[in-house]
Amino acid sequence: DQQVKQNSPSLSVQEGRISILNCDYTNSMFDYFLWYKKYPAEGPTFLISISSIKDKNEDGRFTVFLNKSAKHLSLHIVPSQPGDSAVYFCAASAKGIQGAQKLVFGQGTRLTINP
Amino acid sequence: GAGVSQSPSNKVTEKGKDVELRCDPISGHTALYWYRQSLGQGLEFLIYFQGNSAPDKSGLPSDRFSAERTGGSVSTLTIQRTQQEDSAVYLCASSLVTWSNQPQHFGDGTRLSIL
Repeated sequence: DQQVKQNSPSLSVQEGRISILNCDYTNSMFDYFLWYKKYPAEGPTFLISISSIKDKNEDGRFTVFLNKSAKHLSLHIVPSQPGDSAVYFCAASAKGIQGAQKLVFGQGTRLTINP
Repeated sequence: GAGVSQSPSNKVTEKGKDVELRCDPISGHTALYWYRQSLGQGLEFLIYFQGNSAPDKSGLPSDRFSAERTGGSVSTLTIQRTQQEDSAVYLCASSLVTWSNQPQHFGDGTRLSIL
């Protein structure tokens, strides 16, 4: 049972346009959501996160939207740049008793920005 | 360096051998996590350590897998009697633990290949 799903394995966007990556989850206990970017042969790099008490968080070109009723979140990148080409992972967690959280990841979406 | 450091970066070994993977977390991070990414798969949680509390081992796939964290800093993931299905990239992450959610920061991983 996959608790976090990224249904689009790949996405191609023209440079300068908006990239929208989507993620759905099933576990209503999740209270923290993150997006990571991954280049080949490197570890995932943290991009942006959002707590379940919010519905939007913005950081520069990156904005994450959370729709709790739909159990859906999305990452918007605008304007898209060639360096944004990478695999993007959505992740979610439910806060554990000890305070630390194990992340549940989606399968990833490969974003390609075309010049 | 300031980031999570993992060694070795690559490891090739024969089926049946034992392997040890090392992780140096970011200084001051009390939580340490191990994940793995098999070919074509998302990241899968293995184990996490939080301060002096008992580790959460719920993601370890079999009793051939074990991990230690000595002195609250460096961690070692050990796989005994390796099998071909253990081939994957093993990723370590660390995070602060505070009253609010904190993102996990990843190392570049150890690519393990079992012949």
